[in-house]
Amino acid sequence: EVQLVESGGGLVKPGGSLRLSCAASGFNFNFYSMNWVRQAPGKGLEWVSSISSSYTYIYYADSVKGRFTISRDNAKNSVYLQMNSLRAEDTAVYYCAANRPLMGMEVWGQGTTVTVSS
Amino acid sequence: QSVLTQPPSASGTPGQRVTISCSGSSSNIGSNTVNWYQQIPGTAPKLLIYSNSLRPSGVPDRFSGSKSATSASLAISGLQSEDEADYYCSAWDDSLNSWVFGGGTKLTVL
Repeated sequence: EVQLVESGGGLVKPGGSLRLSCAASGFNFNFYSMNWVRQAPGKGLEWVSSISSSYTYIYYADSVKGRFTISRDNAKNSVYLQMNSLRAEDTAVYYCAANRPLMGMEVWGQGTTVTVSS
Repeated sequence: QSVLTQPPSASGTPGQRVTISCSGSSSNIGSNTVNWYQQIPGTAPKLLIYSNSLRPSGVPDRFSGSKSATSASLAISGLQSEDEADYYCSAWDDSLNSWVFGGGTKLTVL
């Protein structure tokens, strides 16, 4: 079965850190770029970060640049999002999603919830 | 304020055809292909249309997409109650070096 499974979400105080993980199975992870997309409560989708299949290209939304770091381990079929200096506005469901070149994000995880609150 | 502009809501009765528009600019829709996602509340988004007009395996042919210049459209024909969901357009933006999404359109089946 093709799937992505996120973990690592939780409640954290402003200024704190969290590391999200996303484990892939059922497809050739090495061929896919990986993305993190978040959705604040009652809001739309917001792209957070992407990493290419060969680690060559890494991109961040301006809202997280300098605070979040995306990484992947192709040997473990996993992608990660290290989130530092968290703010209340980072509160959201975080989805990992996979895409091949010239295609949309065709595989999505179920999401993991991050709540930043004192 | 989203980079891509969609109407916040749309509606139709069962069997009708509805369209959802998505407006962008030369750096996103004008330069790259458009993807559409369907999100039923409480669930993860699902890829509905990719490369402007292609459907992933399993997506009914009632769903179709098109693109012209810096705008795109999603059409749903033979509307069904299970089509009630939020729909998002998305494209890569060459100026921002980022994926950009529309604000989403909530489709109500009356």
